[in-house]
Amino acid sequence: NAGVTQTPKFQVLKTGQSMTLQCAQDMNHNSMYWYRQDPGMGLRLIYYSASEGTTDKGEVPNGYNVSRLNKREFSLRLESAAPSQTSVYFCASSEFQGVGNQPQHFGDGTRLSIL
Amino acid sequence: QKEVEQNSGPLSVPEGAIASLNCTYSDRGSQSFFWYRQYSGKSPELIMFIYSNGDKEDGRFTAQLNKASQYVSLLIRDSQPSDSATYLCAVSVDYKLSFGAGTTVTVRA
Repeated sequence: NAGVTQTPKFQVLKTGQSMTLQCAQDMNHNSMYWYRQDPGMGLRLIYYSASEGTTDKGEVPNGYNVSRLNKREFSLRLESAAPSQTSVYFCASSEFQGVGNQPQHFGDGTRLSIL
Repeated sequence: QKEVEQNSGPLSVPEGAIASLNCTYSDRGSQSFFWYRQYSGKSPELIMFIYSNGDKEDGRFTAQLNKASQYVSLLIRDSQPSDSATYLCAVSVDYKLSFGAGTTVTVRA
């Protein structure tokens, strides 16, 4: 059981290049999330998808786009990478129920450097 | 004001002692509360979650929630060197989870 799988694990880009970070989960969760983590700042929500077919902005969406391809897959795209987007990116999934959000399960992360 | 605030740390405790971690949150509509542990270079892993006021115990870990005071804490009893990590408090409203910046704990032998 793989849980949440992210690809690639490492990437170096030049300023202005584009790329897509892939995320897939096999837990049949409805909700999926993209975070970035910078030193001393915890995790900040970029975008989330509460259910298949919906996406919403989080705390730091500028410079990113997302696609919820199906229930399993949620991708994050950087159209024109900037050095400020150098970070570790985590994908997560969870189930939302009446009492509130269930625990989120995280992928191993993508370490992205923009030169 | 940040949505979720944690004591900044770092927190150094001797092996076998109790480590106490604190977290406050600003949104009174928060529904679910989580503690994650994150080792350096790794992804966050869930330790505890709590939905109702009071205490919840799981092994050496106890989470405490006080919604009136907008406060959630984590106690680690009999701290072990393997507990040395950064602990993240997370608070959920609807579908979104807000994280604190984390508290780094070092357990010294």
